[in-house]
Amino acid sequence: QKEVEQNSGPLSVPEGAIASLNCTYSDRGSQSFFWYRQYSGKSPELIMSIYSNGDKEDGRFTAQLNKASQYVSLLIRDSQPSDSATYLCAVKRGAQKLVFGQGTRLTINP
Amino acid sequence: DAGVIQSPRHEVTEMGQEVTLRCKPISGHNSLFWYRQTMMRGLELLIYFNNNVPIDDSGMPEDRFSAKMPNASFSTLKIQPSEPRDSAVYFCASSLTSGDWDTQYFGPGTRLTVL
Repeated sequence: QKEVEQNSGPLSVPEGAIASLNCTYSDRGSQSFFWYRQYSGKSPELIMSIYSNGDKEDGRFTAQLNKASQYVSLLIRDSQPSDSATYLCAVKRGAQKLVFGQGTRLTINP
Repeated sequence: DAGVIQSPRHEVTEMGQEVTLRCKPISGHNSLFWYRQTMMRGLELLIYFNNNVPIDDSGMPEDRFSAKMPNASFSTLKIQPSEPRDSAVYFCASSLTSGDWDTQYFGPGTRLTVL
């Protein structure tokens, strides 16, 4: 079992709809979780971090964490073509190491 | 403000040659990370430094890989000798460590092709 698992996609969502991205992790002791966005040919950039169970909202993005189920998700409301990218889920292991999932490729169709 | 700077952006070399990748972290950041990204393995951490000291190099694939951080503003990742399976995008990232709230900022990456 991989430490961080994501559905590789591609996930295709119509413009204006909600895109839902999911991630599961294996280390029950993990405390910090991150979502990075990576455009094709570019470097990853942090869009959300979450540390507590529940929801965290930032503009059109909502991160959801359920530690009991070892599950993190990212919702993108009112999806735009500019949201088309690969989304990487990352879990912090120890003090500073990030372990990344394989990423989910998201395509927003106009 | 300048972000993380990496050079070269692209490197094409032949098997057996030495390759040196360079990174300048964001000024004031005290942690530096080297990652490798491939289609097969995704984004994986190779090594990271705190205050110029290597903390964890468990991700370095083998002895052909070495990394140094001689000062707070410069780091190198060296592959000697290079092999075709080293072809990947190598990212450098830096952060200001402050508990859980330490965002890692990635550089643009170096795309390495070993023929």
